[in-house]
Formats: sequence, C-alpha cells, structure tokens
Amino acid sequence: EAQVTQNPRYLITVTGKKLTVTCSQNMNHEYMSWYRQDPGLGLRQIYYSMNVEVTDKGDVPEGYKVSRKEKRNFPLILESPSPNQTSLYFCASSIDRGRDSPLHFGNGTRLTVT
Amino acid sequence: QKEVEQNSGPLSVPEGAIASLNCTYSDRGSQSFFWYRQYSGKSPELIMSIYSNGDKEDGRFTAQLNKASQYVSLLIRDSQPSDSATYLCAAGDKAAGNKLTFGGGTRVLVKP
Repeated sequence: EAQVTQNPRYLITVTGKKLTVTCSQNMNHEYMSWYRQDPGLGLRQIYYSMNVEVTDKGDVPEGYKVSRKEKRNFPLILESPSPNQTSLYFCASSIDRGRDSPLHFGNGTRLTVT
Repeated sequence: QKEVEQNSGPLSVPEGAIASLNCTYSDRGSQSFFWYRQYSGKSPELIMSIYSNGDKEDGRFTAQLNKASQYVSLLIRDSQPSDSATYLCAAGDKAAGNKLTFGGGTRVLVKP
C-alpha cells in the first residue's frame, strides 16, 4: 500500500531533550516536506526536500533540523525542544513539485513539550 | 507574507443542503489552488484542485476560482453528515516551485 509513515504518533517530552520524528514513504517520491499544524494557523511548512541531500527551509524552520540521506526517509530533528514546539506535525510527499503532483500526508505526530 | 484566509466556522449545514466555503489569498502570483478535507485527528486529503477561472465540478463538489478577486470557493451539494470535517484551502506559487500556503481551515458541521 502506498503510504507515508510517521513515527511516533504521540510523543510527550521535556524541554531540552533531543528527539527525532521519523518519516518514510514507499512511493519513490522526490519531494518531501514537514508541516506543523496549530489551531487557527493552518499548516505551516517547516522544511522541505526536493531530492536526496537537497533540503531547504520553509516558513518556520527555527528550532528544527532535517536530513535526506535516502530518498524514502526524511526525519525531523528537534535538538532542544521547547514548549512552543508543542504541535501536530505532518510529513508529506509528492512525486515532484509540479503543479499536478498532489501531496500525500502521513498520519501525523502529536508532540507535547513540557 | 503570503496569506490564505478562511472563516474558521463552524459552518452549520442541514443534511441535504449546500455548504458554501470561501477562501481569499493575498499573492497574485498564486496559480494553483487546492481544497483539502481533514477529519478530526486525521491527516489532510486532497479533494479538489483548480487552476483556471471559473467552475470545476467533481461529484458533489464544485470549486470556483476568481483570480481578479483573489477568491476561491468550494460548494458541497447534498451535504451528508460524513462531510463534517475541516476544509483547508491552499494556494500554490509557481515562482516558488509551487510551494503551498494553507489557510487556517473552515470547520463544517452537517446536522442530520
């Protein structure tokens, strides 16, 4: 089944404790992206990757890191999480960045930082 | 800052009626527009895309685009309780590699 898989689904952590949220897609998609969703603010892009070893900042990259060493994986790293990073996170992928390439979203990771 | 604005709702609609959702965007460079449906606690799923002025119909859904007014709308005909969800409007900027900017979403509640 074609899908984008995120793990974990739920994560509660404390301020400053490094964490990684994994994202993997099995559709051979070139483009992958991370979003955070907060009430009333919609989906905001954190980082994106056009292909292996090609990553770039989105609209809200502060406090996050990503890597794209393999085409299928695009982990999101929070080196020192803070409470303002409490949010619902989505990984998404698409064939490319063409207009007609729909985004496929993962099931989301609800992160709470205390 | 490019913005996509939606009324947060909730938009309460009787079953069988037409739900009308509106979205405005600030960037005149936006050339592609999308409506995503998101059930509570779930991930967004694409339901409609529209690129040209006018109407586009797909089943019970009709998307309308007016680039001069920077306005996109979604009509849901014969609304069903299963249509109760949050609907996200998104605009794509070709100059920025079709990067999507999302609105905050409109919550729709269809009452039996």
